[in-house]
Amino acid sequence: DIQMTQSPSTLSASVGGRVSISCRASQSINIWLAWYQQKPGKAPELLIYDASKLKGGVPSRFSGTGSGTEFTLTISRLQPDDVATYYCQQYKTYSITFGQGTRLEIK
Amino acid sequence: EVQLLESGGGLVQPGGSLRLSCTASSFTFNLYAMGWVRQAPGKGLERVSTIGHDGDTTDYADSVKGRFIISRDNSRNILYLHMKSLRDEDTAVYYCAKDSGGFNPYFDYWGQGVLVTVSS
Repeated sequence: DIQMTQSPSTLSASVGGRVSISCRASQSINIWLAWYQQKPGKAPELLIYDASKLKGGVPSRFSGTGSGTEFTLTISRLQPDDVATYYCQQYKTYSITFGQGTRLEIK
Repeated sequence: EVQLLESGGGLVQPGGSLRLSCTASSFTFNLYAMGWVRQAPGKGLERVSTIGHDGDTTDYADSVKGRFIISRDNSRNILYLHMKSLRDEDTAVYYCAKDSGGFNPYFDYWGQGVLVTVSS
């Protein structure tokens, strides 16, 4: 299986600030990467697919970049509602795998 | 809006069995692959199983292979997960998720999840 490694595990930032979350694949996955947001006690929700495409309705404050093995989720103009755990997921293979998650806290 | 509603969770003893259901609505169910993803308490996401749109193709995580069976009833828009020989480590919230379709699909919609607790 392809291993997905996220960093950092936790990060904290202020309202209005900007954060970046890294996701690394153990082998090339081209652009077949999605990002999900999971708010406390809720189901995950898709934010970004194909590494950089925003799902309809997702604020443009969220953006994704990368290809191959290195990917980044960036959240700009942080809002209190962005408090959540963020997961990357590869879907190059049928046996999809997730990163371990990055918890975002707002100062 | 796509809706996925899981049911069938609960408390079961180790070695026991349980069947989860996921009722889908507001999309053409028989055109999309579906999957189950679980999340143990305080842990991350783990894909459990996926099934093709017509039910002919299935895949399982190694951790559940031989114990879980995924199936679907396209006439009733229901996805199932039959779980047997349950272990403590199967305790988790189980989510059903809709595949996005296409050659490299991801999960574009998720249900609210159902809790399975394996304990004596």
